[in-house]
Amino acid sequence: QSALTQPASVSGSPGQSITISCSGTSTDVGGYNYVSWYQQHPGKAPKLMIYDVSKRPSGVSNRFSGSKSDNTASLTISGLQAEDEADYYCSSYAGSSTWVFGGGTKLTVL
Amino acid sequence: QVQLVQSGAEVKKPGASVKVSCKASGYTFSSYNVHWVRQAPGQRLEWMGRINAGNGNTKYSQKFQDRVTITRDTSASTAYMDLSSLRSEDTAVYYCARQVAGSLFDYWGQGTLVTVSP
Repeated sequence: QSALTQPASVSGSPGQSITISCSGTSTDVGGYNYVSWYQQHPGKAPKLMIYDVSKRPSGVSNRFSGSKSDNTASLTISGLQAEDEADYYCSSYAGSSTWVFGGGTKLTVL
Repeated sequence: QVQLVQSGAEVKKPGASVKVSCKASGYTFSSYNVHWVRQAPGQRLEWMGRINAGNGNTKYSQKFQDRVTITRDTSASTAYMDLSSLRSEDTAVYYCARQVAGSLFDYWGQGTLVTVSP
């Protein structure tokens, strides 16, 4: 199972919006509406930010949103804040009860 | 409140096995799947496998199929991940996570560092 493809890094200034892409195939991202996004600060466990492509768990800011088109999912963070600086990972169901993660994207808030 | 508390850090020699535990509290353990995910230093998250805590059914990543065993003890509300034939590349933080439904993996353990070193 190959990892999903994410940009290694993205950056933005406070208040701006950024989008992180997550590219897969028709057997994972494109085949199911089971894409999630995680935020991970150094030395911490991943925190779920988006699940089932575009749903936000309770307590997650509405500045975070998710979408999907064909084999590519996207996470958009609007109104960028300093505390958003972290690593972000996408994950997708890949069929037969298996899951796959992306390579991770380091977000820098300038 | 829901918590997943993992066992402490381990140091193992190449060729040995390690067993990491994940104790659940604050919910009905047998109602949800528990997944195991690992992260080598500076590397990405990597899905290893999962167990249906109710019926014990397991599914493993092809990469770890021959070396990983996930079990659970419902009386102790605890899931276990056993990795054998350890090598240096297995040095990583191992996480457990609860799957509620779909891609909703809402609670994660604090992580367990496993170091494989001669």
